[in-house]
Amino acid sequence: GNSVTQMEGPVTLSEEAFLTINCTYTATGYPSLFWYVQYPGEGLQLLLKATKADDKGSNKGFEATYRKETTSFHLEKGSVQVSDSAVYFCALSAISSGSARQLTFGSGTQLTVLP
Amino acid sequence: SQTIHQWPATLVQPVGSPLSLECTVEGTSNPNLYWYRQAAGRGLQLLFYSVGIGQISSEVPQNLSASRPQDRQFILSSKKLLLSDSGFYLCAWSVLGTGVGYTFGSGTRLTVV
Repeated sequence: GNSVTQMEGPVTLSEEAFLTINCTYTATGYPSLFWYVQYPGEGLQLLLKATKADDKGSNKGFEATYRKETTSFHLEKGSVQVSDSAVYFCALSAISSGSARQLTFGSGTQLTVLP
Repeated sequence: SQTIHQWPATLVQPVGSPLSLECTVEGTSNPNLYWYRQAAGRGLQLLFYSVGIGQISSEVPQNLSASRPQDRQFILSSKKLLLSDSGFYLCAWSVLGTGVGYTFGSGTRLTVV
C-alpha cells in the first residue's frame, strides 16, 4: 500500500535559519505529492504540490522537489520566520478503490521558530 | 469560489452521548468528501470518504458513522461517544482527477469527558 514517512519532530530553529523537513514515500504508479501546513487551532492548508517527477513546488519561500529516484519530497526554506511555526504534513495522492483520489499523510512535523 | 464549512468549531460532550458534526461545501458539484481525525500529538487518520450521495466508504472500524444525504453535505455521527473519540475532526473535499489535492475545513475539536 501507499505510505509516507516524515521526519520526526519537533524541530526548533532560530529565525532566519535554514529549514529541511525530510519526506519519503512508497506508492504504486505515479502519485502526486503535497505539503500541507496546519497553523495552531486551524485546519490544513495546501502549501505546495508537485504532480510528476522532477517538478518543483514552491510557495511562500518554501520549496520541494519530486525525486522519483530517491522517492523523496523534502521541504526546504532558506530563512524561516516566527510566523512559519506550524505543523507540516507531507502527503501523496493516488487512486484507490471507489475511484476516489485519496491522500495518504505523513505523521506531521511540528516546527517552532524562535525570535 | 469553492468554500467548505464545518461546525461546530469546538464541542465538549459526555461519554455515552450522541454526536453529529456537519460539513457542507459550496461552489462545486459532485465532490469527493472526506472525514479525518487527528488525535492529540498524532497524524491524520482517514475515517470515511464518499464519492456520491449515499455512498460511504469506511477506512477504520469504529464507534463512528458517516452519511451523505445531499451532494454537498457530509455528516459524522455517533450514537454513544467514547473517551477515545476525543480529537480534532477535519472535513475535506476534492474533485477527482484535478490533482490539486484536498481543501480542508477549519476543523472541530471534540473533547469527550
